[in-house]
Amino acid sequence: LAKTTQPISMDSYEGQEVNITCSHNNIATNDYITWYQQFPSQGPRFIIQGYKTKVTNEVASLFIPADRKSSTLSLPRVSLSDTAVYYCLVGAFNDYKLSFGAGTTVTVRA
Amino acid sequence: DTGVSQDPRHKITKRGQNVTFRCDPISEHNRLYWYRQTLGQGPEFLTYFQNEAQLEKSRLLSDRFSAERPKGSFSTLEIQRTEQGDSAMYLCASSMGLALTDTQYFGPGTRLTVL
Repeated sequence: LAKTTQPISMDSYEGQEVNITCSHNNIATNDYITWYQQFPSQGPRFIIQGYKTKVTNEVASLFIPADRKSSTLSLPRVSLSDTAVYYCLVGAFNDYKLSFGAGTTVTVRA
Repeated sequence: DTGVSQDPRHKITKRGQNVTFRCDPISEHNRLYWYRQTLGQGPEFLTYFQNEAQLEKSRLLSDRFSAERPKGSFSTLEIQRTEQGDSAMYLCASSMGLALTDTQYFGPGTRLTVL
């Protein structure tokens, strides 16, 4: 399993863009990248997933450079309700076991 | 939209007692997973069902733990002779199991406190 490294915590203010970079230097050809969000006392919630280049949905964007050794989750114009732990996961296609690290605690202030 | 549900949401028990948790997955999902999460850590995989078959168990799942998924619908996780180290959030997730990138949807979890 490719290991991931992401910052322990990040602070931001309402209305700003938050970018969380995850390093996965040992990512394999058949690995893809998934991000989850978790609020206190709740289960993780799927945010976005990608294999290469850029993926965008209504919640976030995921940027993956050509070498795929890192990825950046971008949250546009955050609000207080975006305060949560964000997990970067790397896993193989058809691999059913999700491997979570400690995640990045994002705190949004007014 | 009916997501994954878990019951109870909180359970406090005394050491040595048995506890059972229930998970109801999203109805059309044939895969079901159990994870455990301790404070400050990400969830850790415990076990996985494809329909009613339990296909893998983590080493974290000692012989005091047992999980079932009768008829491939809801699942139960039982912990016998609970220990204080079992205190954690127990999360259930489900997925359709059809795509190469099979998104798992998590329930709200059951928080277990063993006194």
